[in-house]
Amino acid sequence: DQQVKQNSPSLSVQEGRISILNCDYTNSMFDYFLWYKKYPAEGPTFLISISSIKDKNEDGRFTVFLNKSAKHLSLHIVPSQPGDSAVYFCAAIKTGGSEKLVFGKGTKLTVNP
Amino acid sequence: GAGVSQSPRYKVAKRGQDVALRCDPISGHVSLFWYQQALGQGPEFLTYFQNEAQLDKSGLPSDRFFAERPEGSVSTLKIQRTQQEDSAVYLCASRKMNSGSYEQYFGPGTRLTVT
Repeated sequence: DQQVKQNSPSLSVQEGRISILNCDYTNSMFDYFLWYKKYPAEGPTFLISISSIKDKNEDGRFTVFLNKSAKHLSLHIVPSQPGDSAVYFCAAIKTGGSEKLVFGKGTKLTVNP
Repeated sequence: GAGVSQSPRYKVAKRGQDVALRCDPISGHVSLFWYQQALGQGPEFLTYFQNEAQLDKSGLPSDRFFAERPEGSVSTLKIQRTQQEDSAVYLCASRKMNSGSYEQYFGPGTRLTVT
């Protein structure tokens, strides 16, 4: 069963507009969440994270929102740039154990000039 | 500083051959993880080391998969008698313990194709 779900395989936005990527999870034991960005033929690169004790974390153009009651998080990119075009993965951790990352299937973001 | 490196970057194996994939983590990173990423999927956890101790191997799909990290730095993932379903990208990641955050740093991966 897929514990972390990214239901949109792809998203296309115009340069300068907001990109919103969504992620849902089913395991209430997850207490830390991360977003990774991946270009072809490269490994995933860490973008931003959030602990379950917070509901928002911001880093420059990237903001992650967490709604624990809905088991939902989202990544906002404002403004979107063509270089943001990549596959974005949501990942979750249950801290205190092996702290392995549980990933969604990814959303391919295309930012059009 | 240097990131996580993996070798080879690409490997083609005939069904039934054994392969060995190498990971050099970031210097000083205690934790090391292996993931398998099939086409169109997210990475899936295989195994986890803390120093030389393999603390979690719950994700290894069969006893044909074996990982080691004998000196607590470089790790090798070995796949015996490869099958076509083993074709995937194998990602290695490392993490600094007690860093206050949980992000893992990934290498570029090894793309394994079994023919």
